[in-house]
Amino acid sequence: ETGVTQTPRHLVMGMTNKKSLKCEQHLGHNAMYWYKQSAKKPLELMFVYSLEERVENNSVPSRFSPECPNSSHLFLHLHTLQPEDSALYLCASSLGLAAYNEQFFGPGTRLTVL
Amino acid sequence: GENVEQHPSTLSVQEGDSAVIKCTYSDSASNYFPWYKQELGKRPQLIIDIRSNVGEKKDQRIAVTLNKTAKHFSLHITETQPEDSAVYFCAAEKGGSEKLVFGKGMKLTVNP
Repeated sequence: ETGVTQTPRHLVMGMTNKKSLKCEQHLGHNAMYWYKQSAKKPLELMFVYSLEERVENNSVPSRFSPECPNSSHLFLHLHTLQPEDSALYLCASSLGLAAYNEQFFGPGTRLTVL
Repeated sequence: GENVEQHPSTLSVQEGDSAVIKCTYSDSASNYFPWYKQELGKRPQLIIDIRSNVGEKKDQRIAVTLNKTAKHFSLHITETQPEDSAVYFCAAEKGGSEKLVFGKGMKLTVNP
């Protein structure tokens, strides 16, 4: 599959579980992003990586832990989440960090925390 | 920091009508303003953008206007079609940060 892919597409977890979201981009981009999309709220930027280096941590609780092992893969490790963390988590990538670079989004992971 | 307000939150129009979505931003240093479209169940996709050195940009049935003095920008869709139904997000570059700050989105429904 081309573009940006995310797995799993749906995830239900309890508050004590540990799970990971995976994102992969096949576009040769250097920057990758995690966004949280909740109902009736703006897209919230969580983390930004450029060339595998984290350049932004937007005041995200430590129960969310990102990992970028290489420029094509991005993970979001989840641990002891809260019900209010239920949302659509979108990964995106862009050619470079500059804002004018188009961001290509993945299909998202719909997360439900029970 | 940058704050992007988008209104209205929902808009319903008849096919063939025009639709206008407005956004305001707070950071006068912002120089880049993209619009993303997210169809139901699909991922957001860039549809048009504008930079601060331009007042208007058109691409077929869509256009974006920017008023830097008033710090607002708008998306205009003419001759709307049912496939234009989606949530539209505006965004503004947070000045000097290379980050985008998104608005809450506006759900457009085009009735056939």
